[in-house]
Amino acid sequence: DAKTTQPTSMDCAEGRAANLPCNHSTISGNEYVYWYRQIHSQGPQYIIHGLKNNETNEMASLIITEDRKSSTLILPHATLRDTAVYYCIVRVSGGSEKLVFGKGTKLTVNP
Amino acid sequence: GAVVSQHPSWVICKSGTSVKIECRSLDFQATTMFWYRQFPKQSLMLMATSNEGSKATYEQGVEKDKFLINHASLTLSTLTVTSAHPEDSSFYICSARDPGQGALGYTFGSGTRLTVV
Repeated sequence: DAKTTQPTSMDCAEGRAANLPCNHSTISGNEYVYWYRQIHSQGPQYIIHGLKNNETNEMASLIITEDRKSSTLILPHATLRDTAVYYCIVRVSGGSEKLVFGKGTKLTVNP
Repeated sequence: GAVVSQHPSWVICKSGTSVKIECRSLDFQATTMFWYRQFPKQSLMLMATSNEGSKATYEQGVEKDKFLINHASLTLSTLTVTSAHPEDSSFYICSARDPGQGALGYTFGSGTRLTVV
């Protein structure tokens, strides 16, 4: 299974962009990069996913490098409610459909 | 979008008793559901993959006789913690995959906080 590495924690000022990096240097060609977040004591919430192209939705943007070895999740205007643990996950290939979570990045948005 | 309902949201039980947690996909059929456990300040740890109509696949180190999983229909999977002990106290989370949404479609329940006293 491809693994991901993320910084343990990050801080961001309210209203500013939050840029969360993720390294996935062993990703396979048919594996997607997913981002989820977990607000305290809740189930994870899907944010965005991508294969090779940059993606944007109403929540965030996902920038994937050309070699696909890393990606960045961008929250364009962070709010206090964006304080959460953000998980970058590479979908396991080889017939298994499980999502395996790493340690994630604890993002704290400060007023 | 897809919704997964998990019940109960919290439960307190006495040591030695069994507790059942339900996970339902409300607006889609899920042939596969997943069960995770999360201890305080730690990440989600996959316990098992629940397959409709067949036996669950457990991750290494997870006791299948202690964590009984039943996936009897396309919309319901249950996790029963048997003979619960204080060390089983944790946050249990289920996830279901909507096969109709391709690479997207992993939806999580809101979790169950189990406290064994």
